[in-house]
Order: sequence, then C-alpha cells, then structure tokens
Amino acid sequence: DIQMTQSPSSLSASVGDSVSITCRASQSIATYLNWYQQKPGKAPKVLIYAASTLQSGVPSRFSGSGSGTHFTLTISSLQPEDFATYYCQQSDATPRTFGQGTKVEVK
Amino acid sequence: QVTLKESGPALVKPTQTLRLTCSVSGLSISTTGMRVSWIRQPPGEAPEWLARIDWEDDKFYSTSLQTRLTISKDTSKNQVVLTMTNMDPADTATYYCARDQPASSGSYFWFDPWGPGMLVTVSS
Repeated sequence: DIQMTQSPSSLSASVGDSVSITCRASQSIATYLNWYQQKPGKAPKVLIYAASTLQSGVPSRFSGSGSGTHFTLTISSLQPEDFATYYCQQSDATPRTFGQGTKVEVK
Repeated sequence: QVTLKESGPALVKPTQTLRLTCSVSGLSISTTGMRVSWIRQPPGEAPEWLARIDWEDDKFYSTSLQTRLTISKDTSKNQVVLTMTNMDPADTATYYCARDQPASSGSYFWFDPWGPGMLVTVSS
C-alpha cells in the first residue's frame, strides 16, 4: 500500500495568514493526489484534485502543487471558515490511502 | 445531482457481523463509470478506505481488512451493501459511502459526494 505522510499534524494561525501543508507519498504517484477539508461532524469535502486542480466552487485562496512524492496545499489569507482539518489522499493505486491529517487551529 | 446515504445499526456487539447499506439517488449504480466506495473514520483519526464496487461489479478491498469485508450491490434498489465480520471495539467509527468521482479525462478520481456518515459503535 502507498503510505501518505502529512506535516505538520497541527498548526496555529491567524486570520489573514498564509499557511502550507505538506504531503509525502511513499512512492511516486505522479499527480494523483487530492486534498480534502473536514469540519467537525461533517464528511470530508474535496478542495483540489489532480494535485493542483481546484474543485468547482472552492475559493481561489486554496492552491495545490507538487508531483511524484512531494505535494503542498497552500491557503493564502486564511479566513475564519478555513479552520478545519485537512487530508491528502492518493488516487494512483488501490487501495486508496489518506494522510493522517493536519488540523489548522486559531492562534 | 447524486446523493448517497448510509444506513444500518448504530450499535453492534463484539464478534457480530455489521451490515451497512448505501442508498444512492440521482444516478443508477449500473451506469457506466459509476464507482462507490466505503470509507470509515474512527473518532479523532484519519479516514480509512475500506472497499469499492464498480458498475461492472468489479470489487476491491483494503489490504488489511479484506478477509472481513464483502461489498455487493442491489441494482433493483440502487444500493451498495458492505458487510464486515467479527466486529471489534477498534472498529468503532463513522462509516461513509462516497462516489469515486471521475475527471472528464477519466484518469483522475476523487471522493465526491459523500454520504452524511453514520457512527457505528462496537460494544457489549
């Protein structure tokens, strides 16, 4: 199975800050990488697919980059509604696997 | 639009078999390209993919859980069913079903939409 490792596991930031989350794959997955946002009590919601393609309706302050084994999710100008947990997930191979998550908290 | 909803028992005893149903609306599960996955999330932990069934009835399972899982579909009811045997308290989680949404190119997939999820507690 492909292992996905996210860092950091949590971060504290203020509204207006720019934050970045890293996801590493245990083997190359080209750009078969998705990012999700999850709020308490809700199902995850896809933000970005194919490493850098913004899902329809997702604000442009979210962006994704990377290929191979190293990926980054960046949120520029953090908004109050962005405090949540973020997960990466590879879609290169079955079984699909998720990172362990990054919780973005209010500083 | 496609919607999914999970149903099943909220509480099961250790060693029992769990049977969960995912009811799909807005698209036939027999439609070419339709794929439905089950994913679970223990409290405070990351999601874990469990299984997938495709429109042609191809089935795929988690490496670590494949001996305990069976996925099937009932096309007459437009439902996908997951059974998990020998339940343990460590299987306590919110269980979701989700569509494997394909990009227009067909090469990329992501989970969307998801059902609201249902919490299954394993306890005697």
